[in-house]
Amino acid sequence: AQSVTQLDSQVPVFEEAPVELRCNYSSSVSVYLFWYVQYPNQGLQLLLKYLSGSTLVKGINGFEAEFNKSQTSFHLRKPSVHISDTAEYFCAVSERAGGTSYGKLTFGQGTILTVHP
Amino acid sequence: KAGVTQTPRYLIKTRGQQVTLSCSPISGHRSVSWYQQTPGQGLQFLFEYFSETQRNKGNFPGRFSGRQFSNSRSEMNVSTLELGDSALYLCASSNYGIFTDTQYFGPGTRLTVL
Repeated sequence: AQSVTQLDSQVPVFEEAPVELRCNYSSSVSVYLFWYVQYPNQGLQLLLKYLSGSTLVKGINGFEAEFNKSQTSFHLRKPSVHISDTAEYFCAVSERAGGTSYGKLTFGQGTILTVHP
Repeated sequence: KAGVTQTPRYLIKTRGQQVTLSCSPISGHRSVSWYQQTPGQGLQFLFEYFSETQRNKGNFPGRFSGRQFSNSRSEMNVSTLELGDSALYLCASSNYGIFTDTQYFGPGTRLTVL
């Protein structure tokens, strides 16, 4: 079984400042890693994903994340945020091998990012 | 390509009733997963269907069921509704391949049980 911990439930930041949203996971098998964003009254939009290869992955809207296997972390970063980045962000994992985890994403509890002018 | 669509977007039901939610995946996607999102429990996996077969199921009571049709469209049903079933229900579709395992989500159905 996997678990995901998002270390901050809320992150306030000023516009144009950098931000890091932290995510740690626990799993006994290899995983895929994802970050999703949810705007109010909407579904989840994929920001970026780590499947294999380079541990630094770039996503949409200027976000990037780094997979650190030794620390079992997948922190999300953006060098300069905008008001429009205000939303809730979810880190998620899925098992690579399928089996009993077919189609199952395990999510963290979410981090609400609020960007102030 | 059109994204994942869910109907209806909003529903209001009373305790004891049953409800059916519908999900149309991205064209060509054969896997559909369902999730329940609540403020208290967050996002929880309900079940996954692939080629009309349920392959995986989360820890929900038997009142929650689903099915998938030959065109990959999926429905989920909740019988004997309880107040605690009020939630945003999200479906996601995926085209499982060797190197990808990415789920794309619909806008959700907001269910309110009175």
